[in-house]
Amino acid sequence: AQSVAQPEDQVNVAEGNPLTVKCTYSVSGNPYLFWYVQYPNRGLQFLLKYITGDNLVKGSYGFEAEFNKSQTSFHLKKPSALVSDSALYFCAVRDKGDNFNKFYFGSGTKLNVKP
Amino acid sequence: DAEITQSPRHKITETGRQVTLACHQTWNHNNMFWYRQDLGHGLRLIHYSYGVQDTNKGEVSDGYSVSRSNTEDLPLTLESAASSQTSVYFCASSLAGGTAEQFFGPGTRLTVL
Repeated sequence: AQSVAQPEDQVNVAEGNPLTVKCTYSVSGNPYLFWYVQYPNRGLQFLLKYITGDNLVKGSYGFEAEFNKSQTSFHLKKPSALVSDSALYFCAVRDKGDNFNKFYFGSGTKLNVKP
Repeated sequence: DAEITQSPRHKITETGRQVTLACHQTWNHNNMFWYRQDLGHGLRLIHYSYGVQDTNKGEVSDGYSVSRSNTEDLPLTLESAASSQTSVYFCASSLAGGTAEQFFGPGTRLTVL
């Protein structure tokens, strides 16, 4: 069965420090992986995705994510965190089942960036 | 610009009433989805549609229904609202299959008293 796990409910980091938000997945075949961000009282916004090719994917707002097939992980990273990065982050996966149409979301990780 | 909108943004209703939440997208996407978001549960899929006249049940479909009469709209109906359906509801759309990401609406906060 397809699943996505975000092992940390909350991540705290100081402004200017690097941040990592973890995601692991379990799907059949090669997955398509996504990261979304949700600011308070807003819908989810797409950040980046991995489809194929280079394992390091760059996205919006200076975020990047590293796909690691052997560890079945897709961790979100940013070299230098900003207070404005504080939000809820969701990892999602699509797989070959159902013609890749459905998304499976993790439970979300709240990122707190302190000044 | 293309967009996806939801209405109303906030709704308070009483137990037992029928409620319909609207979702309208101008992306011309075939795929549309309804999710609910609750603390501790992340996003849970309620119903989805891959095109006009197509609807499918998600993981938490009991008490909800949808209909798809055109490409742009996927209204979500709560047949008889229950307090357990108090939640924030998100509509999303995407191109069919493959590599496309989903685009989300702003959400509807529903309170059932």
